[in-house]
Amino acid sequence: DAMVIQNPRYQVTQFGKPVTLSCSQTLNHNVMYWYQQKSSQAPKLLFHYYDKDFNNEADTPDNFQSRRPNTSFCFLDIRSPGLGDAAMYLCATSGDPPNTEAFFGQGTRLTVV
Amino acid sequence: SQQGEEDPQALSIQEGENATMNCSYKTSINNLQWYRQNSGRGLVHLILIRSNEREKHSGRLRVTLDTSKKSSSLLITASRAADTASYFCATLNTGNQFYFGTGTSLTVIP
Repeated sequence: DAMVIQNPRYQVTQFGKPVTLSCSQTLNHNVMYWYQQKSSQAPKLLFHYYDKDFNNEADTPDNFQSRRPNTSFCFLDIRSPGLGDAAMYLCATSGDPPNTEAFFGQGTRLTVV
Repeated sequence: SQQGEEDPQALSIQEGENATMNCSYKTSINNLQWYRQNSGRGLVHLILIRSNEREKHSGRLRVTLDTSKKSSSLLITASRAADTASYFCATLNTGNQFYFGTGTSLTVIP
């Protein structure tokens, strides 16, 4: 059974139109991560939550926001998508470090038209 | 840059040979994990090594960790065509940040 679920798997949005990607987990993990992965590149960490504490990466554009209303759900909001935001977006969870692996969802592939 | 470095960027070997990939990172870590990703697909977790461990094995995989050099290596023995994929190391630091290396693209020729 899938433990980290991302919806939708594929999302097409218009240039400048806000879009929200969702992630849910059944693992009750404290930490949730959002990554952006462009073609032939490594996943790039955008931000993470430890419980309700939000931790932004210094180089994450302001255009990217996140919400975590409860332990199970986390959302990635892109306020004004540009063509350069087309990518795979990956959600991951992790329990208390240092000994737990990070579990990844299947990703949402975002296309901006 | 948040990313660690991996080398080589690309590796092409014959089936049956061993493949070695190296990863270097920048900060103190809690653990280091290796992932595989087939083209256009999700990340598959391979192995986790804790900061107080030096070597770990899982099937045909052998991982080493040298925290004094901030480096790790992944060895795949007796490679198969199905091992063709991109391989990433990822480090969990003490601030719960989980950063990926730049990745190695492995091609195993049947």
